[in-house]
Amino acid sequence: AQTVTQSQPEMSVQEAETVTLSCTYDTSESDYYLFWYKQPPSRQMILVIRQEAYKQQNATENRFSVNFQKAAKSFSLKISDSQLGDAAMYFCAYKRFGNEKLTFGTGTRLTIIP
Amino acid sequence: DAMVIQNPRYQVTQFGKPVTLSCSQTLNHNVMYWYQQKSSQAPKLLFHYYDKDFNNEADTPDNFQSRRPNTSFCFLDIRSPGLGDAAMYLCATSRGGGGAEVKNIQYFGAGTRLSVL
Repeated sequence: AQTVTQSQPEMSVQEAETVTLSCTYDTSESDYYLFWYKQPPSRQMILVIRQEAYKQQNATENRFSVNFQKAAKSFSLKISDSQLGDAAMYFCAYKRFGNEKLTFGTGTRLTIIP
Repeated sequence: DAMVIQNPRYQVTQFGKPVTLSCSQTLNHNVMYWYQQKSSQAPKLLFHYYDKDFNNEADTPDNFQSRRPNTSFCFLDIRSPGLGDAAMYLCATSRGGGGAEVKNIQYFGAGTRLSVL
């Protein structure tokens, strides 16, 4: 079974600084997708960034980028120029190709310090 | 805007009294999911519909049932809520299937917070 591990229950960063959230996963599959979802307090979960395992190039979305290391099964999220609105719970998630199920990590609560 | 809508946002029920949570979507996605999320935990998948096909997770209690009368709507029925069922329930949708246009992204509703008294 696939598992997703987020070893940092909580992180904090000064506003405008850069922070990296860690995620590792375990799978025997070669085709899969990885995601970072953001869940602000009392608000809905939204997609931050998505990576297809077959792509070597790391995904980027504005201030958000990932470091995808397929051999190491690592998928970290870097947030640059942190803003107050980035404060949220961040979930790393895995999806096997051809399967509709998402497997979530336990989440990292990110606090932005003004 | 196209979206996933959950009603109500807050639901209070009594121990053992059946309750139904609703989800609708305007994305025309063929897959709909129900998750249970307890405080500061990851969402736990209860079941999902792929089109009309119901897919139950092995560890989902029999107390939880679901209905999908059409593409747009999906319901979560809790037949006899217990105190342990108090949680946030999240509905999500995605466009299932293969092809380059399928981005495998799940879109979530804002959730229904269920309290059991």
